[in-house]
Amino acid sequence: NAGVTQTPKFRVLKTGQSMTLLCAQDMNHEYMYWYRQDPGMGLRLIHYSVGEGTTAKGEVPDGYNVSRLKKQNFLLGLESAAPSQTSVYFCASSSGTSGSTDTQYFGPGTRLTVL
Amino acid sequence: AQSVTQPDIHITVSEGASLELRCNYSYGATPYLFWYVQSPGQGLQLLLKYFSGDTLVQGIKGFEAEFKRSQSSFNLRKPSVHWSDAAEYFCAVAPGDYKLSFGAGTTVTVRA
Repeated sequence: NAGVTQTPKFRVLKTGQSMTLLCAQDMNHEYMYWYRQDPGMGLRLIHYSVGEGTTAKGEVPDGYNVSRLKKQNFLLGLESAAPSQTSVYFCASSSGTSGSTDTQYFGPGTRLTVL
Repeated sequence: AQSVTQPDIHITVSEGASLELRCNYSYGATPYLFWYVQSPGQGLQLLLKYFSGDTLVQGIKGFEAEFKRSQSSFNLRKPSVHWSDAAEYFCAVAPGDYKLSFGAGTTVTVRA
């Protein structure tokens, strides 16, 4: 039982390049989330999904797209990377059975640098 | 809009001493409150959460937190800190729509 895994762990991009971050969970959770973590700002929600085939915008969605084609996977895409997207990205999942009291389980993070 | 404030950016504490981390929230009703810990290079792990009932909540690793409605606070405490408690701690609020809003975090350094 691996929990939440993220691929890759580190990545360096040049401005304008694209990439996809993969999040996978093996807990059969309904809800999945993408956050970014920047110094002094805590974690901010980028996009989230409440089930397979559904996605919704979070607090800071601009410049990102997501897809949830399979229940266990949640992909975060950057179509044209910008230096402002340099950050640590965390994926999380929760069961969805208890709504707001659900525990969110986090992956280890992806450190992305955009030059 | 709801918000979470962690007034202390960095706290240094001696091993064996007590620790208290402050968290204040701004929300119209009683929100669901969480404390997460992030060890260096790791993801976040839930320490404890509060959503109703007893206002003193026990968590993992010997941590506890007390919800005080009159002060809009949810402070985290540990009676005796271990070197392994050095980490970043995040308070978070879920105002009722299963999305979390995080504070900026408090970094704890433990000195021998």
